[in-house]
Amino acid sequence: AQSVTQLDSQVPVFEEAPVELRCNYSSSVSVYLFWYVQYPNQGLQLLLKYLSGSTLVESINGFEAEFNKSQTSFHLRKPSVHISDTAEYFCAVSFPGYSSASKIIFGSGTRLSIRP
Amino acid sequence: NAGVMQNPRHLVRRRGQEARLRCSPMKGHSHVYWYRQLPEEGLKFMVYLQKENIIDESGMPKERFSAEFPKEGPSILRIQQVVRGDSAAYFCASSPKTGNTGELFFGEGSRLTVL
Repeated sequence: AQSVTQLDSQVPVFEEAPVELRCNYSSSVSVYLFWYVQYPNQGLQLLLKYLSGSTLVESINGFEAEFNKSQTSFHLRKPSVHISDTAEYFCAVSFPGYSSASKIIFGSGTRLSIRP
Repeated sequence: NAGVMQNPRHLVRRRGQEARLRCSPMKGHSHVYWYRQLPEEGLKFMVYLQKENIIDESGMPKERFSAEFPKEGPSILRIQQVVRGDSAAYFCASSPKTGNTGELFFGEGSRLTVL
């Protein structure tokens, strides 16, 4: 069965510290991978995505994620976080060839809280 | 602002009443998706619609829930005879094409509270 697992429901870190939010998926077919961010009282916004090519993808605000096919992971990292990164982060998987968003599977989310 | 617009942002209903949530997709987008987010849980797919067509409603509860996306006007998610368990944030997303890369554009959500 296809699934997405975000092992950490909450991650507290100090400002300027590095952070890693973990995402593992299960699929017998090829996948597209995404990280979405949800700031308080807002909808989700796409942070970054892996469709093909380089396994390391970056966002404009300093986050990066690496697709590791052998470990079926797509962990999100940032070397130095800022207070403004406080949000909930969702990993998502979709499946090439499917035309419906019902085949997009979201993880349960990781709440990142930054302490000054 | 040409983003996905949802209204109302907050809605309070008593048990047994009806809730209607509206979603206008981004300009140029013709595909609409509804998701439900329960407290401390992830997003659960409910329904995928194109203009005048329900494409996939595999995530919709069998009773009391319905959705439409008419030729003119916003998409509407309708919940009849609400119960406390319907309290959640309901998010609408849109996309411009059928080719699924998974990139969706979300509205800010409608938060339903059932008393």
